Amino acid sequence: AQSVTQPDIHITVSEGASLELRCNYSYGATPYLFWYVQSPGQGLQLLLKYFSGDTLVQGIKGFEAEFKRSQSSFNLRKPSVHWSDAAEYFCAVGEPMRGSQGNLIFGKGTKLSVKP
Amino acid sequence: DTGVSQDPRHKITKRGQNVTFRCDPISEHNRLYWYRQTLGQGPEFLTYFQNEAQLEKSRLLSDRFSAERPKGSFSTLEIQRTEQGDSAMYLCASSLGDAPSYAYGYTFGSGTRLTVV
Repeated sequence: AQSVTQPDIHITVSEGASLELRCNYSYGATPYLFWYVQSPGQGLQLLLKYFSGDTLVQGIKGFEAEFKRSQSSFNLRKPSVHWSDAAEYFCAVGEPMRGSQGNLIFGKGTKLSVKP
Repeated sequence: DTGVSQDPRHKITKRGQNVTFRCDPISEHNRLYWYRQTLGQGPEFLTYFQNEAQLEKSRLLSDRFSAERPKGSFSTLEIQRTEQGDSAMYLCASSLGDAPSYAYGYTFGSGTRLTVV
């Protein structure tokens, strides 16, 4: 069965510091990969996605993620964190099969706190 | 278009009561999804519509849950005889098209937070 693991429940970084959020997936082939951000009481906003091609993908708000097939990972990075980045971040996978209904499997999330 | 709208934003109900939530997707989106998010967890897939047809239901969707999407526009999610374990955020998302790049191009609503007391 497909699964997504986000090993860090809560991370605190200082404003201006770099950030890396980890995501590992379990799937027979290479799935579609996504990172979403959720502010308190809000829905989810897509940061970036990977379907195929270049393994380093750029997203919104200065985020990027790197797909590493050998490690089954899709880690999210940002070189300099802003206080407004404090939120919860979810990694998700989707089946790359034709005819897939398109539902996503999410990790449990990583809560990011930013120190001034 | 203002995105995906969900109503109400918050609902407090007594155990055993029925509740109904509404989702208005982006008008041209033919796919509509319902997810449930409990505290400390990521969203979990409940069900999916393509136009008015309900094509997939998760095993999480017990027989107390029913979803409809009449005429392929808005959708409703009803929970009958609510239990405390139903307390969660219920998220709706919509997307356009069948090709993966479109099917996975979700726009999420802000969710309905249900509290069963």
